[in-house]
Amino acid sequence: EVQLVETGGGLVQPGNSLKLSCATSGFTFSTAWMNWIRQTPGKRLEWLAQIEDKSNNYFISYLESVKGRFTISRDDSKSSVYLQMNNLKEEDTAIYYCTYVITTEDWFAYWGQGTLVTVSS
Amino acid sequence: DVVMTQTPVSLSVSLGGQTSISCRSSQSLVHSDGNTYLYWYLQKPGQSPQLLIYKVSNRFSGVPDRFSGSGSGTDFTLKISRVEPEDLGVYYCYQGTHYPYTFGTGTKLELK
Repeated sequence: EVQLVETGGGLVQPGNSLKLSCATSGFTFSTAWMNWIRQTPGKRLEWLAQIEDKSNNYFISYLESVKGRFTISRDDSKSSVYLQMNNLKEEDTAIYYCTYVITTEDWFAYWGQGTLVTVSS
Repeated sequence: DVVMTQTPVSLSVSLGGQTSISCRSSQSLVHSDGNTYLYWYLQKPGQSPQLLIYKVSNRFSGVPDRFSGSGSGTDFTLKISRVEPEDLGVYYCYQGTHYPYTFGTGTKLELK
């Protein structure tokens, strides 16, 4: 059974940092391209970042608006992916999900339950 | 960025009825490899999104044949026939052809 469990969310003040983690099981993590997506309070889904697998040199892509503030990383030995978020803004308030792509037939087929990040003073 | 415009914003349908959702992209979703990376997801209340349709018209594993996808280029449609209670929620289209990947604004399916 595929499982993705996001942790690390919480209430944080603007300008502060937070690191999200996503622990996974039930699929071949080492070959998966891992992604972070968020859902705003208005229910809009926004893709944030992707890290490819070792065979693609762990190539990373970001949404322009988070580039330089957010950093995606992975640890294949722990089947986990991370999102370091710095200089957080109120508009970063959202539920953050991790998901993955292994083939184009199962693109984002499995999601975690999400972790809520609230940025407020 | 590719803008994905879904219509309508909300739909009211009777159980057993049929309905469709439109998704239009601001540029062609045909990739240089010849594939069209257009997907449909359903987010049921209180749950994470789930994959329904991949690459325009292919049902993901376990998705009933009441769901069908069609379209090409910039215009795509999701059709739902014989609507059942478990079909209610918000439907999103998504494109994986161009960076950054983008989602549609969502269509809420409710019972009449």
